[in-house]
Amino acid sequence: DIQMTQSPSTLSASVGDRVTITCRASQSISAWLAWYQQKPGKAPKLLIYKASSLESGVPSRFSGSGSGTEFTLTISSLQPDDFATYYCQQYHSYFLTFGGGTKVEI
Amino acid sequence: EVQLVESGGGLVKPGGSLRLSCEGSGFYFSSYKMSWVRQAPGKGLEWVSSISGYSNYIYHADSVKGRFTISRDNAKNSLYLQMNSLRVEDTAVYYCARDTIATTGTSPADPWGQGTVVTVSS
Repeated sequence: DIQMTQSPSTLSASVGDRVTITCRASQSISAWLAWYQQKPGKAPKLLIYKASSLESGVPSRFSGSGSGTEFTLTISSLQPDDFATYYCQQYHSYFLTFGGGTKVEI
Repeated sequence: EVQLVESGGGLVKPGGSLRLSCEGSGFYFSSYKMSWVRQAPGKGLEWVSSISGYSNYIYHADSVKGRFTISRDNAKNSLYLQMNSLRVEDTAVYYCARDTIATTGTSPADPWGQGTVVTVSS
């Protein structure tokens, strides 16, 4: 199985900060990577697909980059609504795998 | 509006069985691969199983292989997860999710249902 490693696991930030989360795959997954946001008690919400494509309706302050094994999610200016947990997911393989998550807290 | 609604969760003893259901609406159900993803209390997301639109391809995580079975009934717009030989570590919120693209390949999951809680405890 393809292992996905996210860092950091927790990130403390303030409103207006630029935030970057990293995701590494154990083998090349090309650009078959998605990013999700999850708030407590809610289902995950898709933010980014194919490593850098913004899902419809997602604010432009979110962006993704990378290919192969190294990927990043960037929030250009953190807003109060962005405090949540973020997960990367590879869909290169039918055996899907998620990163361990990054909690963005105040 | 595209919607997924799970049901069937509950409290079950170790070694017991449970069947989860997920009903889809607002889209052509048989065109999409569907998946189950779970989240143990305070933990991250774990993919469980996926099934192609016409059940040609089925995939299970190693952690549930031989115990869980994914299936679907396109006439009822429904997805199922039969869970047998349940263990304490299967305790989680179980989400059903639809692929974003109607394709034979893979795509990210969106939308997701609201989740159904499974608790395995004696």
